[in-house]
Amino acid sequence: SAVISQKPSRDICQRGTSLTIQCQVDSQVTMMFWYRQQPGQSLTLIATANQGSEATYESGFVIDKFPISRPNLTFSTLTVSNLSPEDSSIYLCSVWRDQETQYFGPGTRLLVL
Amino acid sequence: GENVEQHPSTLSVQEGDSAVIKCTYSDSASNYFPWYKQELGKRPQLIIDIRSNVGEKKDQRIAVTLNKTAKHFSLHITETQPEDSAVYFCAASKGGSYIPTFGRGTSLVVHP
Repeated sequence: SAVISQKPSRDICQRGTSLTIQCQVDSQVTMMFWYRQQPGQSLTLIATANQGSEATYESGFVIDKFPISRPNLTFSTLTVSNLSPEDSSIYLCSVWRDQETQYFGPGTRLLVL
Repeated sequence: GENVEQHPSTLSVQEGDSAVIKCTYSDSASNYFPWYKQELGKRPQLIIDIRSNVGEKKDQRIAVTLNKTAKHFSLHITETQPEDSAVYFCAASKGGSYIPTFGRGTSLVVHP
């Protein structure tokens, strides 16, 4: 398994501001993923973060809105920029272990007022 | 790309009954099919998975079946208990560096 922590666990932000979410893993992983889960919805992949390279964004997500850093093999950050109420969601980081098994962090609940 | 359809979106059963959730996938190259359980306010957690070289896998009250020809797989929960109440997600992946595609989820409610 994988031990994944995220900070903050929740936050309330004003529109127009930004929030940076941190994800820490207990051991080195090649790929880290960032997902968004809107209330009652499925898991939508935002981007894949590989250490030492630019993140790969899924359709509908852009770097200017969701900049990602991956400074080493155990840590990543996701910033949600220029917040609007539509960004209110749960943001989850995830890693792969054991070839394909995917493990999720506890999530960050964001409310934008 | 891969498309995963999951049904039903909601499922309500009495304690002790069985529950079945079905998923279909579109890419015949997919070969790994995990199921995740997400309790309210918690992270999704892997509960069982199956690879394309087997047709069925069991773990206590949970089983998953796979029909490669028809491109569908199902989660079976027997003797349901209130603590089985959660949202269940299926996913399909081609393995390797391919990222799993998730279904839309099934909200299961087990009534005592």
